[in-house]
Amino acid sequence: AQKVTQAQTEISVVEKEDVTLDCVYETRDTTYYLFWYKQPPSGELVFLIRRNSFDEQNEISGRYSWNFQKSTSSFNFTITASQVVDSAVYFCALSEVFIQGAQKLVFGQGTRLTINP
Amino acid sequence: GAVVSQHPSRVICKSGTSVKIECRSLDFQATTMFWYRQFPKQSLMLMATSNEGSKATYEQGVEKDKFLINHASLTLSTLTVTSAHPEDSSFYICSAESEGPANYEQYFGPGTRLTVT
Repeated sequence: AQKVTQAQTEISVVEKEDVTLDCVYETRDTTYYLFWYKQPPSGELVFLIRRNSFDEQNEISGRYSWNFQKSTSSFNFTITASQVVDSAVYFCALSEVFIQGAQKLVFGQGTRLTINP
Repeated sequence: GAVVSQHPSRVICKSGTSVKIECRSLDFQATTMFWYRQFPKQSLMLMATSNEGSKATYEQGVEKDKFLINHASLTLSTLTVTSAHPEDSSFYICSAESEGPANYEQYFGPGTRLTVT
């Protein structure tokens, strides 16, 4: 069975600090996708990134970066120079790919990130 | 980008009544839609996978007679919570899947907050 573990339930840092959110996953599939979503207080999920299992290149997008390591089954997310607007719950998710392409997502427990001014 | 809407955004109903939640893909056709439930401060849990023109596939532990799903067209799926009880109070989120240039893409709706009194 697939499983995503976000061991950090809550993180609180001061603005401008760097912060890394951990994500460890389990799957028997050789082909899968990994995701990160942001959920602000409004509740709407904001897509951040999708990475397929064959692409282990790290990704950087502005202040956000992701480190995908298949050897340790981890897909960690780092926010550099954090800002108050980054405060939200962040979810890591894993999907298996069905024949018709439908992707069932399994979400981690989420990490509540609070950036203090 | 692709947009998914949900209606209503919030609903309060009395115990024993039924509530219908609509999920629409506004600018694309979605063969597959997913329904998730999120209890306060918890993760998203997949309830069911909805395919246009066929019966929904429910996850283990989800009562199909209580949570009726109808995917009548390629742009609309509905979730009806029948005989709602306070324990059904939750945040319900749908997602719709479309075939994009980089394989299948999944787009989330803004969610519906259901409160059963």
